[in-house]
Amino acid sequence: GQQVMQIPQYQHVQEGEDFTTYCNSSTTLSNIQWYKQRPGGHPVFLIQLVKSGEVKKQKRLTFQFGEAKKNSSLHITATQTTDVGTYFCAGPSKSSASKIIFGSGTRLSIRP
Amino acid sequence: NAGVTQTPKFQVLKTGQSMTLQCAQDMNHEYMSWYRQDPGMGLRLIHYSVGAGITDQGEVPNGYNVSRSTTEDFPLRLLSAAPSQTSVYFCASSYSTGFPGELFFGEGSRLTVL
Repeated sequence: GQQVMQIPQYQHVQEGEDFTTYCNSSTTLSNIQWYKQRPGGHPVFLIQLVKSGEVKKQKRLTFQFGEAKKNSSLHITATQTTDVGTYFCAGPSKSSASKIIFGSGTRLSIRP
Repeated sequence: NAGVTQTPKFQVLKTGQSMTLQCAQDMNHEYMSWYRQDPGMGLRLIHYSVGAGITDQGEVPNGYNVSRSTTEDFPLRLLSAAPSQTSVYFCASSYSTGFPGELFFGEGSRLTVL
């Protein structure tokens, strides 16, 4: 079946360092979404990418959708302690656009 | 404007008991869904609905029932709880259906089955 994988599973960085998480789908995605979940919290929507090769920025966060629409990345420049949490990508299932499948997530921890 | 409200926040059940997790949204969203999240894992889709009277199975539907009699409510029923259903359950809604956009999540319901 369709799989959405994220790497790395965990990332521990020094505050101020950059961070990148990668999302890879076994099938082509019509769009991809990114969410952040703080420890003990619920997922919160960050962004949705739709176009092949699309790049969007939100302050220190840069999101990219691959040309083949099978992969995506989230890059955080100069991490801060407020960036701690788990970052998930999500996309529609090949069987139904209404079935949103989440990746396994990348947990980011930061040394002050 | 409360958003997505889940009740209860915490629940302990014994194996074989049944219960219903409630989910209500006040944003007039057509799309609603239920996910479960196990420790250190991502979210797995249990069931979803694209409107009142319409439900469909997600990735892990076994052991769960849903119904959607109104736009606002999407309860999740555990028919006979098993320890494997110990998890955190999240309800989510979205304004669009055929191409769901931003998912708005509730705060979660933490379920322990003994």
